[in-house]
Amino acid sequence: GAGVSQSPSNKVTEKGKDVELRCDPISGHTALYWYRQSLGQGLEFLIYFQGNSAPDKSGLPSDRFSAERTGGSVSTLTIQRTQQEDSAVYLCASSIGQGASSNEQFFGPGTRLTVL
Amino acid sequence: GQSLEQPSEVTAVEGAIVQINCTYQTSGFYGLSWYQQHDGGAPTFLSYNALDGLEETGRFSSFLSRSDSYGYLLLQELQMKDSASYFCAVREDTGRRALTFGSGTRLQVQP
Repeated sequence: GAGVSQSPSNKVTEKGKDVELRCDPISGHTALYWYRQSLGQGLEFLIYFQGNSAPDKSGLPSDRFSAERTGGSVSTLTIQRTQQEDSAVYLCASSIGQGASSNEQFFGPGTRLTVL
Repeated sequence: GQSLEQPSEVTAVEGAIVQINCTYQTSGFYGLSWYQQHDGGAPTFLSYNALDGLEETGRFSSFLSRSDSYGYLLLQELQMKDSASYFCAVREDTGRRALTFGSGTRLQVQP
């Protein structure tokens, strides 16, 4: 398929462990976003990549969170020393970088993270 | 601070019309979007309003009034498959396309 893919779909980890979540955006999309969604809540912005520009990290909740985007495509969100409050669904989205169509974000299926 | 307010739940019957309102208070405003999310699914884009007025896409329409910091999503001829959560989201910056989302409105369509 040509949509946004994320892996793993589910991740259960113990408190204090590190986790890596992966996102493959739609080919050709220069903008990539990470959000997280707690049960019954809206989406909370985490980080935004646009082309080769420095990422907008303003939504990262703590320095335990970091993300990379390699080669302008695949992105990895890393959470170090996980805490129970990190439990949520982590959603990745991508969009065309410019123009009116850039307002439409395409979301992946998410990674459900459970920290025990 | 920044906030988007929308009703938490709405119930309607098949074939009816429902309006989901959204008011926003954000540091900047460059457009209001609506997303649909079925249980366990990913959000999918429905509409985007940058200017005042009504945008129509099939059974769904979206309205924006920037002077009132208000918008709504109108769903007509409701179908059972429209049961889902609906989120309004504001783009706050012209360069940064990340969105600030409301908490969502859960729409229950009954037969």
